[in-house]
Amino acid sequence: DTAVSQTPKYLVTQMGNDKSIKCEQNLGHDTMYWYKQDSKKFLKIMFSYNNKELIINETVPNRFSPKSPDKAHLNLHINSLELGDSAVYFCASSQDQQDPYNSPLHFGNGTRLTVT
Amino acid sequence: AQSVTQPDIHITVSEGASLELRCNYSYGATPYLFWYVQSPGQGLQLLLKYFSGDTLVQGIKGFEAEFKRSQSSFNLRKPSVHWSDAAEYFCAVGVLAGNQFYFGTGTSLTVIP
Repeated sequence: DTAVSQTPKYLVTQMGNDKSIKCEQNLGHDTMYWYKQDSKKFLKIMFSYNNKELIINETVPNRFSPKSPDKAHLNLHINSLELGDSAVYFCASSQDQQDPYNSPLHFGNGTRLTVT
Repeated sequence: AQSVTQPDIHITVSEGASLELRCNYSYGATPYLFWYVQSPGQGLQLLLKYFSGDTLVQGIKGFEAEFKRSQSSFNLRKPSVHWSDAAEYFCAVGVLAGNQFYFGTGTSLTVIP
């Protein structure tokens, strides 16, 4: 199946730990994103990469570090997890970065992170 | 600055009834507009999109949306709702720079038998 897949689906961890979320897309897209959805369902972009290069880096704590080993993968590493990091994290991809109409976002199913 | 407002946090409709979900946007240029649906535990799926041309656009699952520039609105409609339409609906505006997308806060739809 062509898709955006992210793992794990659920992640429960304690404060202070370091964790990673992996994302892969086999759609041949050039651009990948991480979005954070808070408890009120608000979706906010965190990062975007185009062909392994960082394009968008919104106001996100330095504890969050994206890594793109190739254009099909965009992983998110989080250091020193805090309670406020609890959210659903969505990976997404689009064909390119120049044309929203012809390059809408394709989303993964999300990773629900719970920090205790 | 670009923004999207979905005034209705939650809507309940009876199965078979018509549906309209409201979306207002703020954007300095001609907007790229989208509606996405999120089923429980799933990612967001694109329902339809608009940039130019016919202001009434058709999407998947029997949904349509109408762009009204004078009202800065892009409301989503469906003539007859099915129980499977219960989900969270997000309106979004896309901008050229960096292919960014800005989402509204979503409208949760409940369908009652």
